[in-house]
Amino acid sequence: KAGVTQTPRYLIKTRGQQVTLSCSPISGHRSVSWYQQTPGQGLQFLFEYFSETQRNKGNFPGRFSGRQFSNSRSEMNVSTLELGDSALYLCASSPLGENIQYFGAGTRLSVL
Amino acid sequence: AQSVAQPEDQVNVAEGNPLTVKCTYSVSGNPYLFWYVQYPNRGLQFLLKYITGDNLVKGSYGFEAEFNKSQTSFHLKKPSALVSDSALYFCAVRDSMAGNQFYFGTGTSLTVIP
Repeated sequence: KAGVTQTPRYLIKTRGQQVTLSCSPISGHRSVSWYQQTPGQGLQFLFEYFSETQRNKGNFPGRFSGRQFSNSRSEMNVSTLELGDSALYLCASSPLGENIQYFGAGTRLSVL
Repeated sequence: AQSVAQPEDQVNVAEGNPLTVKCTYSVSGNPYLFWYVQYPNRGLQFLLKYITGDNLVKGSYGFEAEFNKSQTSFHLKKPSALVSDSALYFCAVRDSMAGNQFYFGTGTSLTVIP
């Protein structure tokens, strides 16, 4: 089986722009979670989607949003980018009933 | 509130020596505990988990972890470290009483010195 695929791998944007990141989960996995990873902060939970519904949400401003499609692929969007949004954004998928998350390689976003 | 603490940002160990990476947690219900490893420019890879049962859990690449309920700890161990074990290690917890969200520690950078 193919693993979790995140595109693009690298992005450079400027302040004020918006960005969309994509995540394709492992085939058959219906749960997709997004995390922001920064040095010293570890992984900060953004949100989780299951069957196209947001099931959990972390403490991020409304500029961060996401969605999930009927094929379980997910996107996250960040509007009005700030310098502090520079980070590695990780997506993880889980199969129903299994307590393990499988991670993609991440999208590294740099905001200039 | 649910949380995970990894008290050491950096652990250095000589090749061939035993290694320990520490993790403590706080949850309301029963903890589901996990260790992940991250190599440079890669996502996190699952190492092992504790859900229930034997307190000593064995995982990938010779790693093991011991669940200690009284100390609310889940330390990662390996009897003999390899240079290739050098990476960033994350402890994570799910609270059985608080839905499906995972809570991650801030990570511990392990360096194995040849």
